[in-house]
Amino acid sequence: NAGVTQTPKFQVLKTGQSMTLQCAQDMNHEYMSWYRQDPGMGLRLIHYSVGAGITDQGEVPNGYNVSRSTTEDFPLRLLSAAPSQTSVYFCASSYILDRGYNEQFFGPGTRLTVL
Amino acid sequence: EDKVVQSPLSLVVHEGDTVTLNCSYEVTNFRSLLWYKQEKKAPTFLFMLTSSGIEKKSGRLSSILDKKELSSILNITATQTGDSAIYLCAVWGSGNTPLVFGKGTRLSVIA
Repeated sequence: NAGVTQTPKFQVLKTGQSMTLQCAQDMNHEYMSWYRQDPGMGLRLIHYSVGAGITDQGEVPNGYNVSRSTTEDFPLRLLSAAPSQTSVYFCASSYILDRGYNEQFFGPGTRLTVL
Repeated sequence: EDKVVQSPLSLVVHEGDTVTLNCSYEVTNFRSLLWYKQEKKAPTFLFMLTSSGIEKKSGRLSSILDKKELSSILNITATQTGDSAIYLCAVWGSGNTPLVFGKGTRLSVIA
């Protein structure tokens, strides 16, 4: 069981570039989510998904797109990177509520710098 | 809108002290409350509290859920420098609503 994996671990972009942060889980979790973490701001939810083909916006969705074509994968796309998107990004997954209120498992994170 | 508020935001204690971290929440149809510890990497799970499990304990850490007061506390006794971390509280509401996190409490334990 690899758990939740994220790639890359580190990335530097120039303003205006686009890229995709990859997230995969092998636990057959229905729920997946993306957070960004900035100093003093805690974890802020970007987008989440309760199953393949279903996504929804979180607290800070602007500038990011997601899709969920399979249960395992939940990529996060930055459309046109801005310095304000410099942050640490975490992907997480869990079973959905009617399976029991299990813990949310986190990936190791991606540290993104936008110059 | 669902909300989770943690206090204090930061705390400095000496080794051996006992600390209490607070978490209050406003969420539609509360289902469970989770505590996480975060050091220099991803958060790691500590406890989950629900209506059927309002008290959890593991070693020097314990947590209680007060559904009447819509809050939870995390206690750490005989603190050690290894307890220095950010402690995050999160709450699940009903249906397919996302897990909502508080901003965290940064605990620093000094020798």
